[in-house]
Formats: sequence, structure tokens, C-alpha cells
Amino acid sequence: QKEVEQNSGPLSVPEGAIASLNCTYSDRGSQSFFWYRQYSGKSPELIMFIYSNGDKEDGRFTAQLNKASQYVSLLIRDSQPSDSATYLCAVSYGQNFVFGPGTRLSVLP
Amino acid sequence: NAGVTQTPKFQVLKTGQSMTLQCAQDMNHNSMYWYRQDPGMGLRLIYYSASEGTTDKGEVPNGYNVSRLNKREFSLRLESAAPSQTSVYFCASSELGRNEYEQYFGPGTRLTVT
Repeated sequence: QKEVEQNSGPLSVPEGAIASLNCTYSDRGSQSFFWYRQYSGKSPELIMFIYSNGDKEDGRFTAQLNKASQYVSLLIRDSQPSDSATYLCAVSYGQNFVFGPGTRLSVLP
Repeated sequence: NAGVTQTPKFQVLKTGQSMTLQCAQDMNHNSMYWYRQDPGMGLRLIYYSASEGTTDKGEVPNGYNVSRLNKREFSLRLESAAPSQTSVYFCASSELGRNEYEQYFGPGTRLTVT
């Protein structure tokens, strides 16, 4: 059984701070790793994906992957109230995807 | 370019009734998916279709059937709805991007079974 785990939160950070979201996965055959943002009542939207060990930066977002530790994280710099949402970690095996339960992030003004 | 569309947006069924959820994408993607999302449980895969004419079971297929009508359309059918099928249903499609399969979601269908 392929599993993806995340802390459910809520994770609260003040505006302007760095938010750190974490995800672990069980299957070493996992190929790529995705972070989705989901606002309440809306569908998930893709923020970033990463498939090589190390860091990948896109604007205020940085994804970090450590395959040896089976760990992937998302850092959000200069957090804004508009970043308040649930963040879903997903792992792919070819064309199949397994999602974690999501972490709820609250950015306090 | 509408992306992934789903109908209906909301539906209330009585136990034992049947219905079909419709999904269409205009991105020419080969792969399509049906997920359900329940509070605290994230997204769980019901069925997926890697290409036109093929379908495969996901994590929670019991009580559902699917049809990949053509490359654009992938429908999900509940033959005899049960209260446990109350959930939000998302359709998604994906295609190989620069390096990986990138998945895009429809707006969802909120289903209540009483």
C-alpha cells in the first residue's frame, strides 16, 4: 500500500514569515512529487513538482526532495494571508497519483 | 480553453438511486481520473484511464463504474447510491509535460446521498 503522510495542521504563521510544509511517502519507487494548493470549496491547483533530489525554486515557493529519507517539503517565503489554504502533497508512479491528506495553512495578518 | 469541466456541480440522491457524473477535457490529454475527497482523507483515486479505451481500478472502486467515451470524456456512474458515497468528486486529466505528468482538476461535484 503506497502511503503519503502529512501533518493535518492547522499550521499558523504570521504574515511575512516562512511557512514549512512537510510530507513523507512510503514507496521508494515513487517517481515525482507534487504540491497542490486547495482553497476551501475549490479544486486543487498545481503549485510545483520536483523529481530530482535537492531544491527547486519558483518565486516564493521552494520544493525540497530527499529520496533517501523519503521526504519532500514545501517552503513558502514571505507568507501572505492569500496563501491560507490546504496544501496537498502527491506522489506519482508513472501516470498514477497518490495524495496525502493535506496540511491546512493559516497566515495571520 | 475551458480545461476540465464537470457536470453537475451539486446533486442530492436518495439511497438506491443511480446517476452519472460527466467529465470532459479540452487539453488533448491521454489520461483521465476520478477521485473522491472526504474530510481529513485527502483525495482517493476511484478509477483512471491511461488512454482512450482503457480503464483501471484505483484505491476505492467499489460501487462505481466508469466509461471512457472518447479521448475527451470520462464518466463515473453510481448504480445504486449509498450514504457512504456522499463526497466531493473531482475529475482530472494529465499529460506528459516537460519532464513529468502534470495533472489538472475540474471544479468538482458535491454529491449528497440521503
